[in-house]
Amino acid sequence: DSGVTQTPKHLITATGQRVTLRCSPRSGDLSVYWYQQSLDQGLQFLIQYYNGEERAKGNILERFSAQQFPDLHSELNLSSLELGDSALYFCASSPAGLGDTQYFGPGTRLTVL
Amino acid sequence: AQKVTQAQTEISVVEKEDVTLDCVYETRDTTYYLFWYKQPPSGELVFLIRRNSFDEQNEISGRYSWNFQKSTSSFNFTITASQVVDSAVYFCALSEGDSNYQLIWGAGTKLIIKP
Repeated sequence: DSGVTQTPKHLITATGQRVTLRCSPRSGDLSVYWYQQSLDQGLQFLIQYYNGEERAKGNILERFSAQQFPDLHSELNLSSLELGDSALYFCASSPAGLGDTQYFGPGTRLTVL
Repeated sequence: AQKVTQAQTEISVVEKEDVTLDCVYETRDTTYYLFWYKQPPSGELVFLIRRNSFDEQNEISGRYSWNFQKSTSSFNFTITASQVVDSAVYFCALSEGDSNYQLIWGAGTKLIIKP
């Protein structure tokens, strides 16, 4: 158990819908990262937050957004969902973010029908 | 340009054989970090090791060992006396300042250990 929690574990929804994925980091970690794992693109970095502020952005679509709350949990919002958004979404956390080890949650498997 | 290359897409060996998973990386930073993660069939990503660019010492942890060679930009992972429970996809990843320390992933190597 990494200490990072993600909910829900599975999510099935329809095209055009909006969903929210939730992540709670390990106790004491200030950085939260979101990654997407799909069959065609592999593992890709989406976005990083550090202590409530956005720190880095990767290949995140404009339809996707995230935030980190004062209690350090984070949410990834995916809107106007398309079939291609079906993937495993991972959250990871680390103490600060400058090359620290990132510990991953169990992931949320999103299926868009 | 691909920054982390895992050329072996899939490796299949019989239990108790030794197996080496290759990882070649590319970076211009002098300070960077390399990682290996394991993704078993259950899907979670499990951290195995982190290495910084200034520490080229090889590391051994039980049946696992890692060979970091800056001269060839490689960070290879060897499993000695493989077991069926080692079956998983293994990912090598790079973290560097140029990319804001996000993890840049290799494509992964699927390791199948046959009984």
